[in-house]
Amino acid sequence: GAVVSQHPSWVICKSGTSVKIECRSLDFQATTMFWYRQFPKQSLMLMATSNEGSKATYEQGVEKDKFLINHASLTLSTLTVTSAHPEDSSFYICSAGLAGSYEQYFGPGTRLTVT
Amino acid sequence: AQSVTQPDIHITVSEGASLELRCNYSYGATPYLFWYVQSPGQGLQLLLKYFSGDTLVQGIKGFEAEFKRSQSSFNLRKPSVHWSDAAEYFCAVVLYSNYQLIWGAGTKLIIKP
Repeated sequence: GAVVSQHPSWVICKSGTSVKIECRSLDFQATTMFWYRQFPKQSLMLMATSNEGSKATYEQGVEKDKFLINHASLTLSTLTVTSAHPEDSSFYICSAGLAGSYEQYFGPGTRLTVT
Repeated sequence: AQSVTQPDIHITVSEGASLELRCNYSYGATPYLFWYVQSPGQGLQLLLKYFSGDTLVQGIKGFEAEFKRSQSSFNLRKPSVHWSDAAEYFCAVVLYSNYQLIWGAGTKLIIKP
């Protein structure tokens, strides 16, 4: 149980275009979803926390207009990287949490390459 | 401020040898602690967690960890490593206030044949 999927697993896009990454909780309802960014050989950096039906809370230094997060349902959150640039290339990971639980369940990650 | 420290950036162990990965935390209350493993290019898999109770926690893949409050530590151990254990290991503590995880920098485990 507690499976989280991400789609796509990898994506290549051209500079200036936008790309959407989906995060789904497959067998549970996730009241909270988290989006992380991971640079090579580094730990995870929390970008934002999203609660279903509410606006996402972004961490300091993360541009909310560039990284649009939508958590429209209890099983789906999306991250849209708008007007992507090569410096946005990274590994993006989502996680989902159950109401009242401190445990997060992680998706397999999405490798974004911007050319 | 809350923090997690993994003092070893990388550790090299011979296959079949024992392993201990260190994790120290700074937290104002009894922490909820996790160990995750990440293979190259993959997401994170939960190895084990400590919430309360027995301070020696058993996890998957033969891993265990011991919570030591007096030392603010939650070290991960395995009696005999396998080549497939080569990966990055992350220790984390959760913030009660907003459910966010505070991550250590990670320790890369290298297995010598």
